[in-house]
Amino acid sequence: KNEVEQSPQNLTAQEGEFITINCSYSVGISALHWLQQHPGGGIVSLFMLSSGKKKHGRLIATINIQEKHSSLHITASHPRDSAVYICAVSLSNYKLTFGKGTLLTVNP
Amino acid sequence: SAVISQKPSRDICQRGTSLTIQCQVDSQVTMMFWYRQQPGQSLTLIATANQGSEATYESGFVIDKFPISRPNLTFSTLTVSNMSPEDSSIYLCSVGDGWEAFFGQGTRLTVV
Repeated sequence: KNEVEQSPQNLTAQEGEFITINCSYSVGISALHWLQQHPGGGIVSLFMLSSGKKKHGRLIATINIQEKHSSLHITASHPRDSAVYICAVSLSNYKLTFGKGTLLTVNP
Repeated sequence: SAVISQKPSRDICQRGTSLTIQCQVDSQVTMMFWYRQQPGQSLTLIATANQGSEATYESGFVIDKFPISRPNLTFSTLTVSNMSPEDSSIYLCSVGDGWEAFFGQGTRLTVV
């Protein structure tokens, strides 16, 4: 079974700070996903990665396949970025294994 | 890409009743999955919804409690039966298309 570990569990930042959330997994995967979950429970897909790096606005996601590690970065953080960020990995059959999530709070 | 409509987005239900959650995809997809997220826990796979046959359940989940339908390649339902407060969770539909995975918005269920 693939284990997915995220760190930190909780993160508090001041508006404008650069934020990094880390994700490690234990076995080979076909893709890694970063998801955002808002307090109401709704889940939004941010990125899907199989290699390299992707950027969308102030969000950047990277993955190192050899080290089985991914990072999600948020530049110029804003209070509206406050949410739970979840890392999930998938094998070739699309079944996902999820991390426990990182609760991010950005204070004004 | 696939766009998923999951309904309802939230509900509050009485114990002993059942709730059916719907997942509608805007294109035909081979694989559909249902996940549960209990408070403070990771999302966990309940079952794979198979078109034209019974769903495949993960360890700890049974058909009597979580019956699943998959009448075609664009639609699936998950029913949470005979609910108790322990069923209060977020339920999430996910689909596989090509080699990508897509997600519904989730259903937040509270059982009182």
